[in-house]
Order: sequence, then C-alpha cells, then structure tokens
Amino acid sequence: DVKVTQSSRYLVKRTGEKVFLECVQDMDHENMFWYRQDPGLGLRLIYFSYDVKMKEKGDIPEGYSVSREKKERFSLILESASTNQTSMYLCASSGGVSGGGQETQYFGPGTRLLVL
Amino acid sequence: GQNIDQPTEMTATEGAIVQINCTYQTSGFNGLFWYQQHAGEAPTFLSYNVLDGLEEKGRFSSFLSRSKGYSYLLLKELQMKDSASYLCAVKDSNYQLIWGAGTKLIIKP
Repeated sequence: DVKVTQSSRYLVKRTGEKVFLECVQDMDHENMFWYRQDPGLGLRLIYFSYDVKMKEKGDIPEGYSVSREKKERFSLILESASTNQTSMYLCASSGGVSGGGQETQYFGPGTRLLVL
Repeated sequence: GQNIDQPTEMTATEGAIVQINCTYQTSGFNGLFWYQQHAGEAPTFLSYNVLDGLEEKGRFSSFLSRSKGYSYLLLKELQMKDSASYLCAVKDSNYQLIWGAGTKLIIKP
C-alpha cells in the first residue's frame, strides 16, 4: 500500500513566522504535489515536482516555496505566514513518467494550518 | 477558463441508490477521476474513466461521456459509511488535475 505521511496534522503559527510542512512517501514515486483545500473550492495546486531538485509552479504559488532534495521527501515552505494561508494542506504523490494516463495521486492525511 | 461543476450537497437514504453528477469544461482531456474524502481525512481514489461508458467496481460505478463533458458516480446499496465528500477531477491537456469543489453526501437512516 502506498503511504504518504505529513509531519503534522494540526499547526498553529503566528503571522510572519516561517512555516515548514514536510511530506514523505514510501513508494518511490517520481511525482509529488502540494495542494491547499478551502471550503467551497476545489483542491488548488501550489507546487509540484517531477524529479529530485525539480519544481514547477502550480496555480497559486505566491507566498510559498518548495524543496525536493530527496526523492521521497517534498517540503512546502511558507516564507512569512499570513492569515489568508490558513487552510488544509494536502500532499500527494504519483508514480510513472509525468504525463501518464491513469496516474493516480495518493494523498497524505493533510495538515490543518491556522495562522493567527 | 477551466471549470468542473458538481452539486454542493446531496442527501440520500441508507440502502438506496444515489447518482452524483460532474460536468467539465477543460483544455483537453486525459481522463476523469473520482475520489472519496471523509471529513478531516485525505481523499482516496475511487475510479478512473478515460473512454466513454460505464466502469463498475462493486457498489460504485462511474460513467463518462466525453462528447457531453459529463460524468456521474453511482453509489448503490448506500451505507452510513458512504457519508463523505466526493471529488471529481479531470486531467487536462497538460496532464494536470483540475478539481471540482466536491459533493457532500449525507446518508440518513
């Protein structure tokens, strides 16, 4: 079974703090993704990565950065947290070459971040 | 722009059948996914359609019509544990997933 883990289930931070969200997958997947999920909206892609040290901007990258130093680990960084970044953050991974057809994404349990 | 539409909320009775619709307008099409998400948990994969027609998997079936930009998820013999949100997502021409906002399904005894 694919396992995607995230470092925290719940996190409370103050405005201006630097926040690190970690994601680890154990299936040797090439592709990893960070989404945020807000009520009434679909999942929105923040960043993704198709290989180590490679990153691509998603639909809403502003205020975020990422790091992928190892294949199994993909980190999301909020350089200076703001209240509008309060959200559920979901990490996902998928296998196969990018652009594959039935490339199912497997999700971690999510991190619910509250920025005060 | 790209758009995925699903009803916000549906209610059904235990033991009954429910159909959750999804319509999409995307730049290209490389498959449609359905995911289930229980409250406070991660989305989990249910089904994938890339060709027109019905895919059946136990109590769950998913249908696709590419010409109509339409899919539905059919849940039979509903159980209380089926109470969850159901997310429709389409893979576009860049192989990126475009997500609907999800349909919250409430099952009543």
